[in-house]
Amino acid sequence: DIQMTQSPSSLSASVGDRVTITCRASQTISSYLNWYQQKPGKAPKLLIFEASSLQSGVPSRFSGSGSGTDFTLTISSLQPEDFATYYCQQSYTTPGWTFGQGTKVEIK
Amino acid sequence: EVQLLESGGDLVQPGGSLRLSCTASGFTFSNYAMTWVRQAPGKGLEWVSATSGSGHSTYYADSVKGRFTISRDNSKNTLYLQMNSLRAEDTAVYYCAKDAKGGDYVRVGAYWGQGTQVTVSS
Repeated sequence: DIQMTQSPSSLSASVGDRVTITCRASQTISSYLNWYQQKPGKAPKLLIFEASSLQSGVPSRFSGSGSGTDFTLTISSLQPEDFATYYCQQSYTTPGWTFGQGTKVEIK
Repeated sequence: EVQLLESGGDLVQPGGSLRLSCTASGFTFSNYAMTWVRQAPGKGLEWVSATSGSGHSTYYADSVKGRFTISRDNSKNTLYLQMNSLRAEDTAVYYCAKDAKGGDYVRVGAYWGQGTQVTVSS
């Protein structure tokens, strides 16, 4: 089974900060990596698909990069509405998915 | 507009059964594979099961294999998850999700329902 490891598990940041979250796969997954944002009590929301493609309607301050085993989600200038938990998800082994454990972004 | 609406969540005793439904609208349901994902209280996301657009192909996580059955009724635009032999560790919010692209698999969770709560406890 492919394991997905996110880091950090949590971070504190201020509005306007540049934030980077990493996700590492236990084996190569090509570019089959998606990123989601989840707020308390809500369903996950797709931000980035296939490692670097921005989902329609998602602000351009969100970007994704990487391929193989190492991936990054970057928020270029953190906004108040971005405080949430972020998950990576591999779909290389579709139909089965594996998620990272999540990164909680909190207000400093 | 794509909409997915889960229902059927409840409080059930260990060993009991429950059937979840996910009613879809805004797209041609039979053209899309569908998937179930769950989230235990305070925990991360866990993929549970998936089915092809026709319903002929089904897939399960090891944690639910042999206990859960995914199915769909394309005439009713509805996805189901029959859950038997429920355990405390099945307690979670259950979401259905679909890709933006049609096909035999869901690679990207582009659309999600709001979730339905399943609690397994005596």
